[in-house]
Amino acid sequence: QKEVEQNSGPLSVPEGAIASLNCTYSDRVSQSFFWYRQYSGKSPELIMSIYSNGDKEDGRFTAQLNKASQYVSLLIRDSQPSDSATYLCAVIWGAGSYQLTFGKGTKLSVIP
Amino acid sequence: DAGVTQSPTHLIKTRGQHVTLRCSPISGHKSVSWYQQVLGQGPQFIFQYYEKEERGRGNFPDRFSARQFPNYSSELNVNALLLGDSALYLCASSHPGGRYNEQFFGPGTRLTVL
Repeated sequence: QKEVEQNSGPLSVPEGAIASLNCTYSDRVSQSFFWYRQYSGKSPELIMSIYSNGDKEDGRFTAQLNKASQYVSLLIRDSQPSDSATYLCAVIWGAGSYQLTFGKGTKLSVIP
Repeated sequence: DAGVTQSPTHLIKTRGQHVTLRCSPISGHKSVSWYQQVLGQGPQFIFQYYEKEERGRGNFPDRFSARQFPNYSSELNVNALLLGDSALYLCASSHPGGRYNEQFFGPGTRLTVL
């Protein structure tokens, strides 16, 4: 069974620090990888998508993908209290599939 | 541009009843997916529709059904509700063939079954 694994946390970081969120997945043929942010009581919001090995940066967010190690991470630089949320890692497994498989999410708390 | 819209926002039903949830995708998106999220878990895939055709179905019982209309809006129907159906139901809109097949979620419908 194809799975996406995340540390449930909570992960606590001080304001201004770098938050590092990790995700592993079980299938080497995975195609696309996503990070969603979900505030309590709200729906998931897409913040990063990555398709190729390496780093992808967007503002304070950097996604890192290593397909050989089946590992994707999200770095949040200069963390702010408003970044406190649950971060969901999601994977689309193969070509022609549009089904997202999610991890359980990591709860991040940024301490002022 | 308007994002994904869902209705109703909240719903309370009793066991055995039927429920219909509605979703309108982002303008120009032709695909709608439905997910169920229970507290403390990531969303679980229920269905995907594209051009009114079902493209995928998750591991949910036949009590769950859906359809997509010519204007690309969609309905999710759940029959014979169980207490375990209490969850946040999310609709996601996408444009197959778009960059990374990104999916964008609506605000969700929170269903409580008593």
